[in-house]
Amino acid sequence: GAVVSQHPSWVICKSGTSVKIECRSLDFQATTMFWYRQFPKQSLMLMATSNEGSKATYEQGVEKDKFLINHASLTLSTLTVTSAHPEDSSFYICSARGWGSYNEQFFGPGTRLTVL
Amino acid sequence: GDSVTQMEGPVTLSEEAFLTINCTYTATGYPSLFWYVQYPGEGLQLLLKATKADDKGSNKGFEATYRKETTSFHLEKGSVQVSDSAVYFCALKWETSGSRLTFGEGTQLTVNP
Repeated sequence: GAVVSQHPSWVICKSGTSVKIECRSLDFQATTMFWYRQFPKQSLMLMATSNEGSKATYEQGVEKDKFLINHASLTLSTLTVTSAHPEDSSFYICSARGWGSYNEQFFGPGTRLTVL
Repeated sequence: GDSVTQMEGPVTLSEEAFLTINCTYTATGYPSLFWYVQYPGEGLQLLLKATKADDKGSNKGFEATYRKETTSFHLEKGSVQVSDSAVYFCALKWETSGSRLTFGEGTQLTVNP
């Protein structure tokens, strides 16, 4: 149990376009989802925390208009990188937390974004 | 602010060798400490944790002891296997922070047969 998927696993896009990344909890309901960004050989940096049905809470320095997060259901959260630029190229990882035995963060496999 | 520092990788060992991956943290007080593992192509998985000083977390032959004197949580395994090849992340969390995790940089471990 406690499987979290991400789609796509990798994406290449042109500068100026928008990219949507999905995060799904497959076998449990996630009250909270977290989005992280990871640069090569660096730590995971928390970008934002989203609770189902409410607005995401962004970390300091993360542009909320650039990284749009939607958590419309208990099994799905999306991260949209708007008007992507090469500096947005990174590895994006989501995690999900639910109730009871699922009250910890379960991580997705990550999405590699490359902006040309 | 809080931070976690891990030993630099990559680490390459032969099968059955002893493993130590160092982790130290900077925080005011005593957070919970974690080790996560990320196998190739998969998400991070919780490997073990300790919630208070002197606690020892253990799982799959891995161990780590919460040392408040040295603010450390070093990961050890007596005899590694090829299947242990992965990236290991040390992390801390404040129980009052709503599951907010602060991660170290990660250490790549490769075990050769």
